[in-house]
Amino acid sequence: DIVMTQSPLSLPVTPGEPASISCRSGQSLLHSDGYNYLEWYLQKPGQSPQLLIYLGSNRASGVPDRFSGSGSGTDFTLKISRVEAEDVGVYYCMQVLQIPRYTFGQGTKLEIK
Amino acid sequence: EVQLVQSGAEVKTPGESLKISCKASGYSFTTYWIAWVRQMPGKGLEWMGIIYPGDSDTRYSPSFQGQVTISADKSITTAYLQWSSLKASDTAMYYCARPHSSGWFAFHIWGQGTMVTVSS
Repeated sequence: DIVMTQSPLSLPVTPGEPASISCRSGQSLLHSDGYNYLEWYLQKPGQSPQLLIYLGSNRASGVPDRFSGSGSGTDFTLKISRVEAEDVGVYYCMQVLQIPRYTFGQGTKLEIK
Repeated sequence: EVQLVQSGAEVKTPGESLKISCKASGYSFTTYWIAWVRQMPGKGLEWMGIIYPGDSDTRYSPSFQGQVTISADKSITTAYLQWSSLKASDTAMYYCARPHSSGWFAFHIWGQGTMVTVSS
């Protein structure tokens, strides 16, 4: 299975400041169709996960434009341009290249300073 | 409104069987995959498997193959996750999720989760 490694695992951020989460995969997620099969999810406290980013850099419907995804191959980044209080929770990356062997990263807990 | 509504929390003893459900509404049930995801207490997300209700094509993560059964009933637009003999290690929150398009990625719609507790 493809191992997904996130860093940092804990991320304290001051409101209004930017934040960045890294996700590395054990093998390239770049498909021959040109897309990176990497997604980002946020699980807010007590809630179900919600999709933020798919195909590496596409924002899901309803996701604020302060969230952006970038990267290709094995190295990916989720950036929040200005963190707001409602952004607290655990962020997960997930590779969806190999059905049915999808795998998540360990999760990064974002908290407000 | 597109939504997935899961069945309520369950408390079971080891060795019992269980079937939890995920009721879909607001879209064509047979043309979208539905996945199941496990979250053990205080832990991260684990992808279990996925089913296409149109023809019941089912794919399991190797970690869950043979441990659970995923199924769907088109007549009542409901997907299921079942165990024949529960273990304490099955204690977890289970989520169903649907992709935002007809593919099998980008899970945009999620159920509220079903908490399964297995304890003697």
